[in-house]
Amino acid sequence: NAGVMQNPRHLVRRRGQEARLRCSPMKGHSHVYWYRQLPEEGLKFMVYLQKENIIDESGMPKERFSAEFPKEGPSILRIQQVVRGDSAAYFCASSPSPNQPQHFGDGTRLSIL
Amino acid sequence: KQEVTQIPAALSVPEGENLVLNCSFTDSAIYNLQWFRQDPGKGLTSLLLIQSSQREQTSGRLNASLDKSSGRSTLYIAASQPGDSATYLCAVYNTDKLIFGTGTRLQVFP
Repeated sequence: NAGVMQNPRHLVRRRGQEARLRCSPMKGHSHVYWYRQLPEEGLKFMVYLQKENIIDESGMPKERFSAEFPKEGPSILRIQQVVRGDSAAYFCASSPSPNQPQHFGDGTRLSIL
Repeated sequence: KQEVTQIPAALSVPEGENLVLNCSFTDSAIYNLQWFRQDPGKGLTSLLLIQSSQREQTSGRLNASLDKSSGRSTLYIAASQPGDSATYLCAVYNTDKLIFGTGTRLQVFP
């Protein structure tokens, strides 16, 4: 039973480019959460999605960041026109329903040149 | 607004010691509390989940307690080993999201 799969594990982008981070939840999980861990800081909630719906995006920066979880395929976190401050580890978690234990992927480490 | 604090920020101990890591939260209206382990450059490994109606959970050498009324949880590690070296994160379930503490960086030396 595969866990939460994130890809790529490492992503390097130049300032101004777009970054796309993918997350496939555990089998049977329809709830996906994205968290960001800035260097030397704790993990911060970004967004919570259920299939085809954004439930809570209170932690998402107002500009350049978007997330989706389509009916088919993985959840995508998209960062447009990346800046140096976007360098961080981005973690995805999934759960079978709200308030159930969240299972985490290994993260995507994003580096901006 | 829920805030989660972990003390100490770092801890270095010789192998074999029993350890207590502390976590405090400001809003006692939580669903669950979970302890994670994070190794450098890696993801999060779930250690113990305590539901809001429970007071403690045990797994092997680990024991976690929860006191909602005082807003505190402790993670007890018995007979520490070098392989326990990692960052330990406490997180509370706040409706649909996890609120994380900043972690305790543990080093156990032989």
